[in-house]
Amino acid sequence: TQLLEQSPQFLSIQEGENLTVYCNSSSVFSSLQWYRQEPGEGPVLLVTVVTGGEVKKLKRLTFQFGDARKDSSLHITAAQPGDTGLYLCAGFPNTGNQFYFGTGTSLTVIP
Amino acid sequence: NAGVMQNPRHLVRRRGQEARLRCSPMKGHSHVYWYRQLPEEGLKFMVYLQKENIIDESGMPKERFSAEFPKEGPSILRIQQVVRGDSAAYFCASSPGQGGRETQYFGPGTRLLVL
Repeated sequence: TQLLEQSPQFLSIQEGENLTVYCNSSSVFSSLQWYRQEPGEGPVLLVTVVTGGEVKKLKRLTFQFGDARKDSSLHITAAQPGDTGLYLCAGFPNTGNQFYFGTGTSLTVIP
Repeated sequence: NAGVMQNPRHLVRRRGQEARLRCSPMKGHSHVYWYRQLPEEGLKFMVYLQKENIIDESGMPKERFSAEFPKEGPSILRIQQVVRGDSAAYFCASSPGQGGRETQYFGPGTRLLVL
């Protein structure tokens, strides 16, 4: 069983469309981070959300942390081919000191 | 500022050989973490080290796997007598080590293929 479940697992959309990726858990997290990983490379940090209900924007990407700090979402507006990659949520649950990664969402944006 | 460095980027070993993966953390970082990413699976924590200390190795198999982070030099993840199931991408991350649950910065990974 995974502590962080992401949906959808795969997503293929046309350039210009909007999309939302979800990251859910039954555990409370002290913070959640979103990474993007491109083929053959390591994960690159996009954002960290810490406070329940927090919303952060990074250009066309909007990140939200759930009020109860058990879930998060990533919304991309007007997707571009450069957004293609594997999106991973990750974080430290309130109990324990281990860092957990989500199951990942593989996004393909078709020109 | 150089990021986290890993080498080699690709490593091919035959069953029964040893694999040594190296990780140099970002400048100023004293904490290192190793993760494994299997095909079609997510990243799984293996081990967390500070200089000369293993802090948490709960994600590392008890046999054949070991890790160290010496006072001088890179962190090493060592896999003895490799088997085909060890084929995966191994990622190293580092953090400053100033306390608390810090942001981790990842290296490019080492892709291990066991023939």
